[in-house]
Amino acid sequence: GAVVSQHPSRVICKSGTSVKIECRSLDFQATTMFWYRQFPKQSLMLMATSNEGSKATYEQGVEKDKFLINHASLTLSTLTVTSAHPEDSSFYICSARVLADTQYFGPGTRLTVL
Amino acid sequence: QKEVEQNSGPLSVPEGAIASLNCTYSDRVSQSFFWYRQYSGKSPELIMSIYSNGDKEDGRFTAQLNKASQYVSLLIRDSQPSDSATYLCAVRDNQGGKLIFGQGTELSVKP
Repeated sequence: GAVVSQHPSRVICKSGTSVKIECRSLDFQATTMFWYRQFPKQSLMLMATSNEGSKATYEQGVEKDKFLINHASLTLSTLTVTSAHPEDSSFYICSARVLADTQYFGPGTRLTVL
Repeated sequence: QKEVEQNSGPLSVPEGAIASLNCTYSDRVSQSFFWYRQYSGKSPELIMSIYSNGDKEDGRFTAQLNKASQYVSLLIRDSQPSDSATYLCAVRDNQGGKLIFGQGTELSVKP
């Protein structure tokens, strides 16, 4: 399957700081990437759909000014959690869509906000 | 609202048995269906995709789709302890192409 990487894999930060997470498709070009958040013992929650060269589409209830998404190239999308607070602590996972509809996931980034 | 439903489990089966995981979906016009496996603390890994009614086999895994009943299942033959994980059913939303996930079924294979 297609390979998607994420960086960093784990980050611990102080409340009020901003954190940037990178998602890269390593062996293919992805015009569409997705960002998910997952809390313990819960399923994936889609935050936004990221399209190369255009603005991201956010799901209802997700603050676009807090979770900034940039998809500047066909292999890179970034998620910036601005002014992070402890309630933002979660497992953030990106995925990239290959062909019509198959999504491959990155390994995830575990964010802990102190 | 479009929904995907799974039993949360845990589903416990002995090693070597067949594990049967079930999923129902609400959007009758859905065309693309996926099963992902997620180990604790890891991200989901694609196991199977299925698009047509009937069975699709890949090694020890068989996906079954019945669009009339809006039902998709995953069978794991000769279950191994390493199959212990949460299995996520996902359905592609025809509008926008995003995946709608079920809550996941936790499978435990006992040695």
